[in-house]
Amino acid sequence: QKEVEQNSGPLSVPEGAIASLNCTYSDRGSQSFFWYRQYSGKSPELIMSIYSNGDKEDGRFTAQLNKASQYVSLLIRDSQPSDSATYLCAVTTSGTYKYIFGTGTRLKVLA
Amino acid sequence: DTEVTQTPKHLVMGMTNKKSLKCEQHMGHRAMYWYKQKAKKPPELMFVYSYEKLSINESVPSRFSPECPNSSLLNLHLHALQPEDSALYLCASSQGAGPNQPQHFGDGTRLSIL
Repeated sequence: QKEVEQNSGPLSVPEGAIASLNCTYSDRGSQSFFWYRQYSGKSPELIMSIYSNGDKEDGRFTAQLNKASQYVSLLIRDSQPSDSATYLCAVTTSGTYKYIFGTGTRLKVLA
Repeated sequence: DTEVTQTPKHLVMGMTNKKSLKCEQHMGHRAMYWYKQKAKKPPELMFVYSYEKLSINESVPSRFSPECPNSSLLNLHLHALQPEDSALYLCASSQGAGPNQPQHFGDGTRLSIL
């Protein structure tokens, strides 16, 4: 069973702090990794994609991938109350293009 | 606003009704997906169309019937649904059906079965 695991939270951080969200996956052959943000009652919105080891930055967001340790993380700098949402990690497994979603981490940014 | 448009936004239907959900994208994407999402759970894949052909059916009950009339349109026909089918139905599309292709989601149709 190929799995993607996330801490369900809630992860509470004060406004202006760095929020760190983590995701581990079981399939060592996984190739592609995506972070989505989902507000309550809304659809998932793509934030970042990462395909190779290392860091990838986009504005306040940084995705980090470590294939040897089988984890991918998302850092949100200068967190804002509007960042409060559920963050879903999605991984495409080896040999397919199907997403395997983690259960999501609920982030609360406190004003 | 997303570039994947789903209609209707809300749908209430009885167990004997027949209805359809519609999804449209004009990004030139060649892969389209249907997902079902229950509250506080991640999306669950139902169907994948690649180049207008059904490529994945995740053992979905036959009361759900997908259709891809052309590369921009994806329908989900519903018939004789059960109360447990109440959920948010999400359509997504990607440029191709490959591992490095991010999927872009529509706003979803919130379906309630009476």
